[in-house]
Amino acid sequence: AQSVTQPDIHITVSEGASLELRCNYSYGATPYLFWYVQSPGQGLQLLLKYFSGDTLVQGIKGFEAEFKRSQSSFNLRKPSVHWSDAAEYFCAVGAWAAGNKLTFGGGTRVLVKP
Amino acid sequence: NAGVTQTPKFQVLKTGQSMTLQCAQDMNHNSMYWYRQDPGMGLRLIYYSASEGTTDKGEVPNGYNVSRLNKREFSLRLESAAPSQTSVYFCASSEERGKGTEAFFGQGTRLTVV
Repeated sequence: AQSVTQPDIHITVSEGASLELRCNYSYGATPYLFWYVQSPGQGLQLLLKYFSGDTLVQGIKGFEAEFKRSQSSFNLRKPSVHWSDAAEYFCAVGAWAAGNKLTFGGGTRVLVKP
Repeated sequence: NAGVTQTPKFQVLKTGQSMTLQCAQDMNHNSMYWYRQDPGMGLRLIYYSASEGTTDKGEVPNGYNVSRLNKREFSLRLESAAPSQTSVYFCASSEERGKGTEAFFGQGTRLTVV
C-alpha cells in the first residue's frame, strides 16, 4: 500500500522569502505524484503533477517540485512567497493500478508574515 | 464549467440520524471518490468507484455506504450518524486508470454530528 509523509505540520515564512515543503512517499511501483493547495474553506486545487520524464516539474502560481527517486521525495518549492500563498498544502501519490486512488499526506499549513 | 458539485455545503445532524451527501461531475470521468478531511490527517479515502456499476472500500469505510447511480453521480450515505463522523467530506473524480490524470475536487460538505 502507498503512503505519504509530510514532516512539517506548520511553516511560517516571511513574504518574499523562499519556501520549501517536504514530501516523502512510499509506493512499490512508479509513482504518480501531485501537490494540491487548499485555501481556507475551499476545495483542493492542483498545483502540479509528476507522471514521468523531467524530474523538475513546473506548476501554477510560480511553484515547482522535484522528483527524487533515490530519496522517495517530491518536495515543493517557490522562490519568493506572496501573502496569497498562505494555505494548506497536500502532497499525494496516485495508485492507478488500484482504482485510481489518491493517497494524501497530512498536509502542511503555511503562514506568511508581512 | 461546473466540474464536481457537492450538496449540501453544510449540515448539522443529531446522533443516530441518517443523511445522503450528493455528488455529481460533468467531466465524463469514470472514477469517483469520497474522502473525509480531519485536522492533521490529510484526506482519507472512504469509498471509491473505478467505473459505473462498481464500488470499493477505501481506508475508512465503516459507517458509510455509497451508490454509483450513473456515470455522473456518486452518493455517500450515513445510516446512523455518530459524532466521530463530524468532518469535511470531499467528492472527487478522475479519468480512468492508466491515463495518469489528476483528481478534481468538489468544494466540500462540512458535517457536524451533535
